Amino acid sequence: AQRVTQPEKLLSVFKGAPVELKCNYSYSGSPELFWYVQYSRQRLQLLLRHISRESIKGFTADLNKGETSFHLKKPFAQEEDSAMYYCALSGAGGFKTIFGAGTRLFVKA
Amino acid sequence: DTEVTQTPKHLVMGMTNKKSLKCEQHMGHRAMYWYKQKAKKPPELMFVYSYEKLSINESVPSRFSPECPNSSLLNLHLHALQPEDSALYLCASSHRDRGRGDTQYFGPGTRLTVL
Repeated sequence: AQRVTQPEKLLSVFKGAPVELKCNYSYSGSPELFWYVQYSRQRLQLLLRHISRESIKGFTADLNKGETSFHLKKPFAQEEDSAMYYCALSGAGGFKTIFGAGTRLFVKA
Repeated sequence: DTEVTQTPKHLVMGMTNKKSLKCEQHMGHRAMYWYKQKAKKPPELMFVYSYEKLSINESVPSRFSPECPNSSLLNLHLHALQPEDSALYLCASSHRDRGRGDTQYFGPGTRLTVL
């Protein structure tokens, strides 16, 4: 069965500190992994998808199939990064996207 | 136009009312989705339309009835709802990249309150 686990409900860091939001998944086939972000009073939007292998707003995420993980990282957190982050999984050719429970990131000044 | 729009923004209805939520996109996306999101919870998939045909119904009660009149529009008809159906209802659309999962574009949601 498809499952996405985000172990941290809340992550609080100081501005300028590194941040890592954890995501582990369970899927028998070849998954597509995403990070979506929801800033205060804004709609849910894509941050990263693993096949793009790009850095967005300083964030990167690497798919580790051996550890079934897709952790989101940023070397220096900014206050504007404070938001709710959802890791999501979509099966190859599938219509369904499964969301993790989400991690609220709070970056303190 | 690169956004998904939803109307109304807020809706309050009684348990005997009939109402509809509307969603629209003009990005040429061929898949459209309805999600339900409770406070502090992730979105839960309700329905998926692909090329205007219902492809997934996640065992949603029949008091929710989706409709896809054309490739740009998606409706969710509501009837005889329960107070526990109060939530944020999100619409999303995607390209349907053949053979791969694809990015979803979300609307701002309709905040539904059932009295």
